[in-house]
Amino acid sequence: GAVVSQHPSRVICKSGTSVKIECRSLDFQATTMFWYRQFPKQSLMLMATSNEGSKATYEQGVEKDKFLINHASLTLSTLTVTSAHPEDSSFYICSAAGSSGRKRDTQYFGPGTRLTVL
Amino acid sequence: QQQVKQSPQSLIVQKGGISIINCAYENTAFDYFPWYQQFPGKGPALLIAIRPDVSEKKEGRFTISFNKSAKQFSLHIMDSQPGDSATYFCAASMMYSGGGADGLTFGKGTHLIIQP
Repeated sequence: GAVVSQHPSRVICKSGTSVKIECRSLDFQATTMFWYRQFPKQSLMLMATSNEGSKATYEQGVEKDKFLINHASLTLSTLTVTSAHPEDSSFYICSAAGSSGRKRDTQYFGPGTRLTVL
Repeated sequence: QQQVKQSPQSLIVQKGGISIINCAYENTAFDYFPWYQQFPGKGPALLIAIRPDVSEKKEGRFTISFNKSAKQFSLHIMDSQPGDSATYFCAASMMYSGGGADGLTFGKGTHLIIQP
């Protein structure tokens, strides 16, 4: 399978600060990347979809000015949580899909980033 | 509105038994149905996926059964092992009708415990 990495794996920050999370596809070009959020013992909820070189498409209820997504290359997408508050504490997971063949059919997930806002 | 309903919420199976998890969907535009396995603190890993043009797909100990008319699909884990203990999520998307990769709508998950 394809490899997707995330950095950092864990981050603790103070309320009001901004946090950037990186998602990288290591062995294939990811035409599309997705960001999900998962609260404890709950399911994954899609936050936004980003295509390389285009603005991200956000799901209903997700604040685009708070969750800034950049997909500047075919191997890197970043999620910046601006002015983080305790309610933003969650497990953030990215996934990547390629442009052709099996990689287009499958979303490969990263290991996730645990964000704790104090 | 929950577009993908998953049951049961939790499941205990004896080692060597068959684990069965069910999902039902509402959106008839969905055309891609994957199952993911997730261990605590980790990202989900794809187990197996199916498209609606087939009724069953088997990969190793994992089988998906798909009923298009009932809008239901299920995961069967044969010869369940303690290492299979994890949370399992079904999902659905408009992978092909949307013209490109599409975000996944997940079920709420099933916490599976395989007893030795």
